[in-house]
Amino acid sequence: EVQLVESGGGLVQPGGSLRLSCAASGFTFSSYDMHWVRQAPGKGLEYVSAINTNGGSTYYANSVKGRFTISRDNSKNTLYLQMGSLKPEDMAVYYCARVAGSYGGYDYWGQGTPVTVSS
Amino acid sequence: QSVLTQPPSVSGAPGQRVTISCTGSSSNIGAHYGVHWYQQLPGTAPKLLIYGNSNRPSGVPDRFSGSKSGTSASLAITGLQAEDEAVYYCQSFDSSLSGRVFGGGTKLTVL
Repeated sequence: EVQLVESGGGLVQPGGSLRLSCAASGFTFSSYDMHWVRQAPGKGLEYVSAINTNGGSTYYANSVKGRFTISRDNSKNTLYLQMGSLKPEDMAVYYCARVAGSYGGYDYWGQGTPVTVSS
Repeated sequence: QSVLTQPPSVSGAPGQRVTISCTGSSSNIGAHYGVHWYQQLPGTAPKLLIYGNSNRPSGVPDRFSGSKSGTSASLAITGLQAEDEAVYYCQSFDSSLSGRVFGGGTKLTVL
């Protein structure tokens, strides 16, 4: 059974940092591109960042470029999102998602981890 | 302001058919990138409903169908059931933004 389990969310002050993790199981993690998607309270879904299978290519939404870093450790079947210079508008539930094929949809999602940015 | 435009809400009675539109542009849906649809029940993670414009993952009832034409796509739900009450999102890739884009979401109310 495919499982994605996020962790690392919590309360952080504006300007602070946080690292999210997404532990994958039930599939060959190294064969799939992975993304982070977030959802602010009461709002819609927003693409955040993407990484290819070997970690050699990374992409970011303009809203987080230069502040967030996506990475992966295929030996640990884990995806990461290092978030820095956090702003109140970064407050959201962060989901990791598996990508099904090139430009494909997200066929599996984690349960999400909440990030609160507040002083 | 979402790159893909969806109506904020739609409604229908049990057993009826509803459609949800998703309007994009020449840099996303019109550029022949696939459109995907997700269903998000309250308090849960989104679930893939339709991929590649019109394909259903295993386990998704055939009451759900997707189509695409030009710069727009649509999700149709027939035989509405109370359990279909959820928020539905469309998604594609945008070449100008070099990233995935979502619609703002449509809340379906089953009357």
